[in-house]
Amino acid sequence: NAGVTQTPKFRILKIGQSMTLQCAQDMNHNYMYWYRQDPGMGLKLIYYSVGAGITDKGEVPNGYNVSRSTTEDFPLRLELAAPSQTSVYFCASSYPDGRPMNTGELFFGEGSRLTVL
Amino acid sequence: QKEVEQNSGPLSVPEGAIASLNCTYSDRGSQSFFWYRQYSGKSPELIMFIYSNGDKEDGRFTAQLNKASQYVSLLIRDSQPSDSATYLCAVNGFIQGAQKLVFGQGTRLTINP
Repeated sequence: NAGVTQTPKFRILKIGQSMTLQCAQDMNHNYMYWYRQDPGMGLKLIYYSVGAGITDKGEVPNGYNVSRSTTEDFPLRLELAAPSQTSVYFCASSYPDGRPMNTGELFFGEGSRLTVL
Repeated sequence: QKEVEQNSGPLSVPEGAIASLNCTYSDRGSQSFFWYRQYSGKSPELIMFIYSNGDKEDGRFTAQLNKASQYVSLLIRDSQPSDSATYLCAVNGFIQGAQKLVFGQGTRLTINP
């Protein structure tokens, strides 16, 4: 079982470039999330999805877009990269019954470290 | 006021001692509280959750919740070097009108042999 798989693990972008961070899970989880973690800080929610075709904004959505065409995949698009988007990005998913609040158990990918220069 | 606050540390504890990690939250309506552990360069993993006032024990870990004081803590007994990590407190809260986990900034814990 692969769990939550993120690619790429590392990426350097120039200001103004765009890219997509890929996230796939094989646990049949309905809920998926994108978080960013700045150095020495906690996790900030960017976007989340409660199922295929349904997405919504989190705390810090500006500069990002997402789509959820399948249960398995939840890519994060960065448009016009800025230095403020330098961060580690984590994709996560939670149980099929969508009870992240009851158990709080999010399954995280290994993270994607993005640097914008 | 931040929604979830933790002392960022670093907190240094000798091996075998008790490590005490603290967290306060601002939303009185929060119902669920979680502790995640994150090793350097790795992703977070859930180690404890608590819903009711009082203590909850799991092995060397004890979570404590006081809703009146809006305070949750994590005690690690018989601390081991392998406990050295950043500990993230997470609380369920409302973001954009929907219930989501809100994370504190984390406390970096170092266990000294």
